[in-house]
Amino acid sequence: EDQVTQSPEALRLQEGESSSLNCSYTVSGLRGLFWYRQDPGKGPEFLFTLYSAGEEKEKERLKATLTKKESFLHITAPKPEDSATYLCAVQARHNFNKFYFGSGTKLNVKP
Amino acid sequence: NAGVTQTPKFQVLKTGQSMTLQCAQDMNHEYMSWYRQDPGMGLRLIHYSVGAGITDQGEVPNGYNVSRSTTEDFPLRLLSAAPSQTSVYFCASSPGQGTTGELFFGEGSRLTVL
Repeated sequence: EDQVTQSPEALRLQEGESSSLNCSYTVSGLRGLFWYRQDPGKGPEFLFTLYSAGEEKEKERLKATLTKKESFLHITAPKPEDSATYLCAVQARHNFNKFYFGSGTKLNVKP
Repeated sequence: NAGVTQTPKFQVLKTGQSMTLQCAQDMNHEYMSWYRQDPGMGLRLIHYSVGAGITDQGEVPNGYNVSRSTTEDFPLRLLSAAPSQTSVYFCASSPGQGTTGELFFGEGSRLTVL
């Protein structure tokens, strides 16, 4: 069964304190792994797509990496505006019309 | 562009009532889908569509109906609401038949069933 587990559930950082969020996945043939950001009361907003182990993508203070079993979202020198819930999702080759989401990591960056 | 528009934003129903959540997109996307988001459970796929006239079930389809008569609209119908359907509902679309993986989400519809 395709599934995604994210950890930690919540993370509190001081401004400038770098850290990583984890996304572990089980899928029979990964087609793509996706990271989204969700602000309170809003819909998720797309950040990155990763397709193969070893791939990395960067955007401002965020960098996403992928291995055969997990993905990390590294946050370097975070700012309070990075506070949000970060969601991970996978898409399988056997049915690329379905996306499986993790329950998210709620990040709070304090000034 | 408005992107993905969901209405209503908030709704309270009594058990057994029916209603329709509306979703419209103006990006000419082939793929549209409905998710529900519950605390601690993440987003779960209810139904999806890869084009007008084509729909299929997701992980949690029971209690929900969909149809797709146009490319732009993908309404979600609750025929007889139950308290277990209290949730936040998100509509999402994607160019192509789900191939890109980048989903564009609406702002959500918060439904409470008493």
